[in-house]
Amino acid sequence: EPEVTQTPSHQVTQMGQEVILRCVPISNHLYFYWYRQILGQKVEFLVSFYNNEISEKSEIFDDQFSVERPDGSNFTLKIRSTKLEDSAMYFCASSEMGQVNQPQHFGDGTRLSIL
Amino acid sequence: DQQVKQNSPSLSVQEGRISILNCDYTNSMFDYFLWYKKYPAEGPTFLISISSIKDKNEDGRFTVFLNKSAKHLSLHIVPSQPGDSAVYFCAASGWNTGNQFYFGTGTSLTVIP
Repeated sequence: EPEVTQTPSHQVTQMGQEVILRCVPISNHLYFYWYRQILGQKVEFLVSFYNNEISEKSEIFDDQFSVERPDGSNFTLKIRSTKLEDSAMYFCASSEMGQVNQPQHFGDGTRLSIL
Repeated sequence: DQQVKQNSPSLSVQEGRISILNCDYTNSMFDYFLWYKKYPAEGPTFLISISSIKDKNEDGRFTVFLNKSAKHLSLHIVPSQPGDSAVYFCAASGWNTGNQFYFGTGTSLTVIP
């Protein structure tokens, strides 16, 4: 069964450094998402992406965050200047369509640890 | 902003018995609900969904019930198996929430052999 893949599985970065989290969505999916889960808290929506542009973003997704689809397969989340509170699991997801009644399929996540 | 709540952080059930996981929501515009299952070190895996035009959806051992008036949904697993031990997340979305899903905090289910 096709799946969403994320790399790396664990990223350790010094505070203030830039970090790029990578995702390969399911190949025929058109909508891509990033979520994060701070330890012990709920999964929170960050951003959705369609047709090479952001379609929605949450309040969490401020100017230090950006997303990009640099080629036909990768979808990246960049955090420009990391803060301690950015430590979390970051999940990439994709869906075939952007309709509200479509499940999103998640990758296994990248654990980001900011020191 | 707790639009989706799972008030039970954990649940233990004997193998073969029924597991019932509960979820409440506050946004009356939500009209699509999902359950995801998550094993440690893995991402959430889609399990079952229900739209607001139904009050029940069944898929094998898994049944989701929706009570719109109470803004409540539940996931029933019967019979429960040890492999069902995982964290279960309820998620919801609606036409006014765009493509994002709102997740509950999860319920950790342990099925005891």
